[in-house]
Parts: sequence; C-alpha cells; structure tokens
Amino acid sequence: EVQLVESGGGLVQPGRSLRLSCVASGFTFDDYAMNWVRQAPGKGLEWVSGISWSSGTIGYADSVKGRFTISRDNAKNSLHLQMDSLRAEDTALYYCAKAGSPEWLFEPSDSWGQGTLVTVSS
Amino acid sequence: DIQMTQSPSSLSASVGDRITITCRASQNIINYLNWYQQKPGKAPRLLIFASSTLQTGVPSRFSGSGSGTDFTLTIGSLHPEDFATYYCQQSYNTPPTFGPGTKVAIK
Repeated sequence: EVQLVESGGGLVQPGRSLRLSCVASGFTFDDYAMNWVRQAPGKGLEWVSGISWSSGTIGYADSVKGRFTISRDNAKNSLHLQMDSLRAEDTALYYCAKAGSPEWLFEPSDSWGQGTLVTVSS
Repeated sequence: DIQMTQSPSSLSASVGDRITITCRASQNIINYLNWYQQKPGKAPRLLIFASSTLQTGVPSRFSGSGSGTDFTLTIGSLHPEDFATYYCQQSYNTPPTFGPGTKVAIK
C-alpha cells in the first residue's frame, strides 16, 4: 500500500523559511515523479512543484518560482520542499503526491498524503 | 497558463440520481484531463485519468469523456459516499492546473 507522510508544517512569520518533507513507502520511490500540491483554507487545489524520478526535470508554479525549491533523496525515499521568503498567501495545507510515471508532466497524481499545514502570519 | 473552468460550481442531488459535471480548458489539451474527488478533511483521490480511464479501485458508476477542450464526469447512480467536491485537472502543459471544483451535496 502506498503511504506518503508529510511533515515540517507549522506557524511561521512572513519572510521566514520552512522545509517540508514527505516520506514514501509501499512503492519503488525512484521509479516515480513526485509533486507538491497545496490547498488554502476553504479553497481549491493548486499545483506547486514537480520533480522527475532523477531530479532531472523540475517545475514550479509562477507563484512560488524563485522562493521554493523542490528536491528528493531516492536513497531515503524522501521528498522535500524548501520554502523561503514566505508570504501570507502561502498559507495552505501542503500535499505530497505521487505521479503515475517517472515524469511529472502529462501525468495525474495517483496517491496523496494527508498534508501538512503551513500558516504564515505575524 | 491553461485555465480550467467547471460547471456547475455546486449541485444538489439525491441518492440514485445520475449527475454530470462539465470541465472546459482554455486551449486544446487533447485528452490530458484528470478527475479527483475530495471529501471534507481528506486528501484528494484520483478517479479518472486521460479523460476516460478509470483508476484502479474506482467504482464503474464513475465515467469520463471528452477531448480537446470539453470534458465531462458522470456518476451513473449517486451513492451516499459520492457526496464530495470534484476537481478536474489538465496535465498537458505546465503548470498542471486544476478547475475550481464542483461540490455535490445531498438534496
């Protein structure tokens, strides 16, 4: 059974940094691309970033480009999102999601974690 | 970015009803269209990918169709557990954008 467990969320002041992590199990992690998707309170889903199996292809939403960095450690079955220069509008539940293939583009997210909440407020 | 719209934004229906949700892309996305179900306090669940392919384990009362810019999700006969919010997503181009969602409520 695929399991994705996010951690690292919390309350942070505007302009500060936070690093999210996602530990994967139940599948061969380095066979699949991974995504981060967020959901602001009471709002819809927004794709944040994707990374291919080898980290060779990476993409970001315009809203986070230059501030967030996605990475993965295939030896540790883990996915990360380094979030710098956080803004109030980054407040959301952040989901880690597995893509259906080694590349994230063209693919749906077929398994999701339960999310970790990031609140950016002074 | 490709903009995704959904209609209706919400609907009320009864157990046993057949419902259809429409999703429209701002440009041709061929068949790179996915549907997700989300229940309150839960993570999204993939229902359908590539416009019409049912994800493993998803009941056959769910079906999807369409190509190009216009797509539909149909639930053939609503079950109590189907009351949720449904999102479409295009995965043809980056960023992979979601529709605003359709909330299906009990009448």
